[in-house]
Amino acid sequence: GAGVSQSPRYKVAKRGQDVALRCDPISGHVSLFWYQQALGQGPEFLTYFQNEAQLDKSGLPSDRFFAERPEGSVSTLKIQRTQQEDSAVYLCASSNTWGQGNEQYVGPGTRLTVT
Amino acid sequence: AQRVTQPEKLLSVFKGAPVELKCNYSYSGSPELFWYVQYSRQRLQLLLRHISRESIKGFTADLNKGETSFHLKKPFAQEEDSAMYYCALSGMGAQKLVFGQGTRLTINP
Repeated sequence: GAGVSQSPRYKVAKRGQDVALRCDPISGHVSLFWYQQALGQGPEFLTYFQNEAQLDKSGLPSDRFFAERPEGSVSTLKIQRTQQEDSAVYLCASSNTWGQGNEQYVGPGTRLTVT
Repeated sequence: AQRVTQPEKLLSVFKGAPVELKCNYSYSGSPELFWYVQYSRQRLQLLLRHISRESIKGFTADLNKGETSFHLKKPFAQEEDSAMYYCALSGMGAQKLVFGQGTRLTINP
């Protein structure tokens, strides 16, 4: 079946531009996560949704980062006034339940390059 | 604070040799531990989790709470095992994963 999809797969932005990254989770999955993966590093948690509720946004690095999931399915991660340090792969993951220990299905990622 | 350490960024072994990818964690509560794998040009996917106590593709991992480790082992490496491996932890009452930096495993023919 279809897995988690993300779009665009690649995005080049000039410093100062706003970008929006989209995630389509697996249908019916209630939990959705965003991670940021810098080059040569492991993924780092950004934020977590349970249905439409954003329950944890402790990993968002600054107030330039904003995420939403208004209908409890598709999610958008928005980055305002992009900076070079925002260059990374942004991963979205979904899970069909909640709670510690559940498998997260990870999308292919969006590679953001800020020039 | 939760932390996952993978001390080896690169690991190279010959086909048929045993392989062990090290993972140590720091967490004061009762964690759930995972190994995720990323093959070339593929997305990150779950390999195994300690709660399942299963063997996937010949790999096993045992949670050692005394040593705070969750090393991944396989007795006989195969070329198709070449990939990037990430150890990850989720804490009590939380779903978010804390990942290590990853180990790139290369199996030489």
